Amino acid sequence: DAKTTQPTSMDCAEGRAANLPCNHSTISGNEYVYWYRQIHSQGPQYIIHGLKNNETNEMASLIITEDRKSSTLILPHATLRDTAVYYCIVRRRHNDMRFGAGTRLTVKP
Amino acid sequence: ETGVTQTPRHLVMGMTNKKSLKCEQHLGHNAMYWYKQSAKKPLELMFVYNFKEQTENNSVPSRFSPECPNSSHLFLHLHTLQPEDSALYLCASSQDPQEGETQYFGPGTRLLVL
Repeated sequence: DAKTTQPTSMDCAEGRAANLPCNHSTISGNEYVYWYRQIHSQGPQYIIHGLKNNETNEMASLIITEDRKSSTLILPHATLRDTAVYYCIVRRRHNDMRFGAGTRLTVKP
Repeated sequence: ETGVTQTPRHLVMGMTNKKSLKCEQHLGHNAMYWYKQSAKKPLELMFVYNFKEQTENNSVPSRFSPECPNSSHLFLHLHTLQPEDSALYLCASSQDPQEGETQYFGPGTRLLVL
């Protein structure tokens, strides 16, 4: 599975949009882009995933570039409860959830 | 609530103890997983069960023994653990063992081995 690169940490003001980037330049055609987040000492929470098209659900939007080499997770109106580590994962095999270090997002009042 | 529950949420055990972690999923899924998350380390996949059959064991020491009596329940039996086994143990499930299936995680069991 392809590797991903994310910034170590980011800050965001409460109520503003949080844009979390992820690079996955070696992604192959049948690999999905998944985003999870983990609030301290809790299990990872699924956010969204996509293959080629942009996706939106009640939690977030996922923007995937046309060449699929990078993506951005958008939390449209960040709240303090969105403070967490966000993981971008590229995977093909069902049993290969390789979580990297992720991005520690801090939402500030 | 993700539909995946784990008990206990916290566990302290000595190196000579025997204990079990329990996971239950209420999602009707067919695949279940055990992960280990140590401090400042990425998640590590330990075991995969598909329709109650173990399909993957990622070189996990024998002091960890999984059991999957049915598609809804998964256990991790622990015996003679070491202090370095202290970690957050996470259970997950997915609908089917297909490519791209979303995994849903439980809250984890925080284990401390003294």
